[in-house]
Amino acid sequence: DSGVTQTPKHLITATGQRVTLRCSPRSGDLSVYWYQQSLDQGLQFLIQYYNGEERAKGNILERFSAQQFPDLHSELNLSSLELGDSALYFCASSNRTSLDTQYFGPGTRLTVL
Amino acid sequence: DQQVKQNSPSLSVQEGRISILNCDYTNSMFDYFLWYKKYPAEGPTFLISISSIKDKNEDGRFTVFLNKSAKHLSLHIVPSQPGDSAVYFCAAMRNYQLIWGAGTKLIIKP
Repeated sequence: DSGVTQTPKHLITATGQRVTLRCSPRSGDLSVYWYQQSLDQGLQFLIQYYNGEERAKGNILERFSAQQFPDLHSELNLSSLELGDSALYFCASSNRTSLDTQYFGPGTRLTVL
Repeated sequence: DQQVKQNSPSLSVQEGRISILNCDYTNSMFDYFLWYKKYPAEGPTFLISISSIKDKNEDGRFTVFLNKSAKHLSLHIVPSQPGDSAVYFCAAMRNYQLIWGAGTKLIIKP
């Protein structure tokens, strides 16, 4: 158990809809990262938040947005969903004072029908 | 532009033998490299890392080698065990941002 929690575990929705994925980082971690893993592909970095502020952006679509709240949990909002958005979405957290690892949650599997 | 490449999508190794997973990178500014292991339906788990100022780091059965001149790193697992069957991701870090390879699926045969 990495200490990072993600809800829901599975999500099935239709094209054009909007969903929200939630992540709670490990206790004490200030950084939260969101990744997308499509079928048979590596992880694509979407966005990073540090202590409530956006710190870095990767390959995140304009239809997607995220935020980190004062209690440090984060939400990833996906709107106008398309079939191609079906993927595993991982959240990770890290202690910014360390060059070390990111700890990953179990992921949310999103299926867009 | 893929800055981190794992050119072998899969690798099959006999139990007890050495598994060698390879990773190439293009950006000489990366300052830290990590290997993660991922089982199906789980998030990646950190395995081992190496700073760009070193050329080798060892942790039990796992050793990572870094060849900066060739921009190449490798993960050696000795001896390989059935529980090592997983997808292994190489990642490179700069300014706390991780760039990931596509992963190599390691299959340990009994």
